[in-house]
Amino acid sequence: DQQVKQNSPSLSVQEGRISILNCDYTNSMFDYFLWYKKYPAEGPTFLISISSIKDKNEDGRFTVFLNKSAKHLSLHIVPSQPGDSAVYFCAASHFDMKTSYDKVIFGPGTSLSVIP
Amino acid sequence: DTGVSQNPRHKITKRGQNVTFRCDPISEHNRLYWYRQTLGQGPEFLTYFQNEAQLEKSRLLSDRFSAERPKGSFSTLEIQRTEQGDSAMYLCASSLEARGRTRDNEQFFGPGTRLTVL
Repeated sequence: DQQVKQNSPSLSVQEGRISILNCDYTNSMFDYFLWYKKYPAEGPTFLISISSIKDKNEDGRFTVFLNKSAKHLSLHIVPSQPGDSAVYFCAASHFDMKTSYDKVIFGPGTSLSVIP
Repeated sequence: DTGVSQNPRHKITKRGQNVTFRCDPISEHNRLYWYRQTLGQGPEFLTYFQNEAQLEKSRLLSDRFSAERPKGSFSTLEIQRTEQGDSAMYLCASSLEARGRTRDNEQFFGPGTRLTVL
């Protein structure tokens, strides 16, 4: 049972336009959400996060929106650049009281191609 | 310190052989994680260490898998009697335990070890 879903395996966008990557989750216990970016032959790198007490977090060209009632979040990249071409993983976490750490669940990823 | 390193980067082995992977986390990070990633999927949690203590293991981690983190520094992941289904990318990540009200979420990943079992 996939708790974090990214229903678009791939996305192509023209350079300079907006890229919108979507993510849905099922577990209402998740209270912190993250996006990671992965280039080929490298491990994922942290991009941006949002707490469940917020509905928007912005960092430069990257903005994450959270709709708790719909259990949906999205990552907006404006303007998109060719260097943004990568696989983007949505991740969700909740604090595990037993082990005192944030248990992170990753989605399957969306491959973004930004066309020059 | 240049980040999390993993060795080897690639490993090809025959079914039934044992393999061991090593992860060197960022030096001040006290938390270490192992994940497995297969084609078209995101990283799947395998196990977690706080310092040298292994605090959680996924049910994905069968009896053939064992992980250690002696002295709370580097970690090893061993797979015994490998099977073709073990072929995957094995990722290691580390993080620093958060203090105060900061959530400890940002995990720093290594480049992974790609295992191919023939």
